[in-house]
Amino acid sequence: EVQLVESGGGLVQPGRSLRLSCEVSRFRFEDFAMHWVRQAPGKGLEWVAGISWNSGSSGYADSVKGRFTISRHNAKDSLFLEMSSLRADDTALYYCAKGRGAYPSDSFDMWGQGTMVIVSS
Amino acid sequence: EIILTQSPATLSVSPGERATLSCRASQSVSRNLAWYQQKPGQAPRLLIYGASARATGIPARFSGSGAGTEFTLTISSLQSEDFAVYYCQQYYDWPPVTFGPGTKVDI
Repeated sequence: EVQLVESGGGLVQPGRSLRLSCEVSRFRFEDFAMHWVRQAPGKGLEWVAGISWNSGSSGYADSVKGRFTISRHNAKDSLFLEMSSLRADDTALYYCAKGRGAYPSDSFDMWGQGTMVIVSS
Repeated sequence: EIILTQSPATLSVSPGERATLSCRASQSVSRNLAWYQQKPGQAPRLLIYGASARATGIPARFSGSGAGTEFTLTISSLQSEDFAVYYCQQYYDWPPVTFGPGTKVDI
């Protein structure tokens, strides 16, 4: 069974940084685009960032552009999200999601269980 | 950015009934639209991609239709496990991918 396991969440003060990780197993990570999607408590889904199979293409939601950086390490089957200048409205459950294809313009066919980020002083 | 609107916000139905959920895009997304199901405390699950293709393992009672700006998810005969929130998503215009606000299907 395909697995995506997020880690790195926690309580962080406004303005600080945090790095999320997603480790995957049981599929050829290097063949697929990957994404981060977040969900604030009691709210809907918000796409955060996506990256193509070879890191050649990446994109961000306007709400995080310039503050967050998505990256991947194909040899280690891992996806990352570097978050800086964190704000209270970044508080959410962050999901790692697998794209159906190699490029980010596609649906997401597998999701992790999420890691919670709380930005508060 | 393409905005997706979903209606109704809440749909109250009984087991065995048919449920019809709508998703409208602010501009054409061709058939680059997906539907997801999310139950409380769980991650979303892909139901439909390409507007009408069922994802792996999704029961035949789930069907999707539409193209351009108007899309529909139909659950032909609701089962107890189908009570959840349903989101549509467009991936025609990336970045960004965008999600609709969701439709809650409850009893």
